[in-house]
Amino acid sequence: TQLLEQSPQFLSIQEGENLTVYCNSSSVFSSLQWYRQEPGEGPVLLVTVVTGGEVKKLKRLTFQFGDARKDSSLHITAAQPGDTGLYLCAGVAGNTGKLIFGQGTTLQVKP
Amino acid sequence: DAGVIQSPRHEVTEMGQEVTLRCKPISGHNSLFWYRQTMMRGLELLIYFNNNVPIDDSGMPEDRFSAKMPNASFSTLKIQPSEPRDSAVYFCASSRTAVNTEAFFGQGTRLTVV
Repeated sequence: TQLLEQSPQFLSIQEGENLTVYCNSSSVFSSLQWYRQEPGEGPVLLVTVVTGGEVKKLKRLTFQFGDARKDSSLHITAAQPGDTGLYLCAGVAGNTGKLIFGQGTTLQVKP
Repeated sequence: DAGVIQSPRHEVTEMGQEVTLRCKPISGHNSLFWYRQTMMRGLELLIYFNNNVPIDDSGMPEDRFSAKMPNASFSTLKIQPSEPRDSAVYFCASSRTAVNTEAFFGQGTRLTVV
C-alpha cells in the first residue's frame, strides 16, 4: 500500500513568517501534486512536479520533488492571511493514474 | 465547462437507509475518482475508473459500498445499508487519462447518517 505522510498536520503562524510543509513516502511516484482546499470546496491543483529534483515556483510558493521521487516539500515565503487553508500532497502511482492523497496540513496565517 | 457536478450537496438519512451519490465528470475526461474525506482519515481514495471500467476498488471499505459508471458522463456511489460511521464528505474527481494530469474535484456531498 502506498502511503503519503504529511507534516506538520497543523500550523499556525503570523503574517510574514516563512514555513515548510513536507510530504514523505517509502514509495516512488511518477509525479507529485500539491492541492489547496478551502472550506466547503473540493481541492484545487497548485502544481505538479514530475522529475526527481525538480523545483517549481508559484509566486511566494516553492515546490520541490525529491531526487528519488519519494518525497516533496512546499515552502511559503512571507505568508499572508490569504494563504490560510488545507494543503494536500498527492502522489500519482505508476502508469494507471491512481491518485493518493496525504492527510493534509491545515495552515492558519494570522494578521 | 461547468466542472465536475455532484448531487446532492447535502444528504441526511437514517441508519439502514440506502444512499446514492451522483457525479457528472468533465466532458472528455477518461478517469473518475471517488474519495471520502473525514477529519480523522483525511482524503481516502475509494475507487477509480478509467474509460468507465473500475481499475482499483481496494479502498471501498465494505460490501455495503458499490460504485458504477454506466457511461462516460455519469457515475454513482451507493451505500446500502448506511451506518453513522459513513458520515463524511464524499468527493468525485475527474482527469484526462494521461498520467500526471490534474484532477478536477466536485464540490462534494456532505453525508450525515443519524
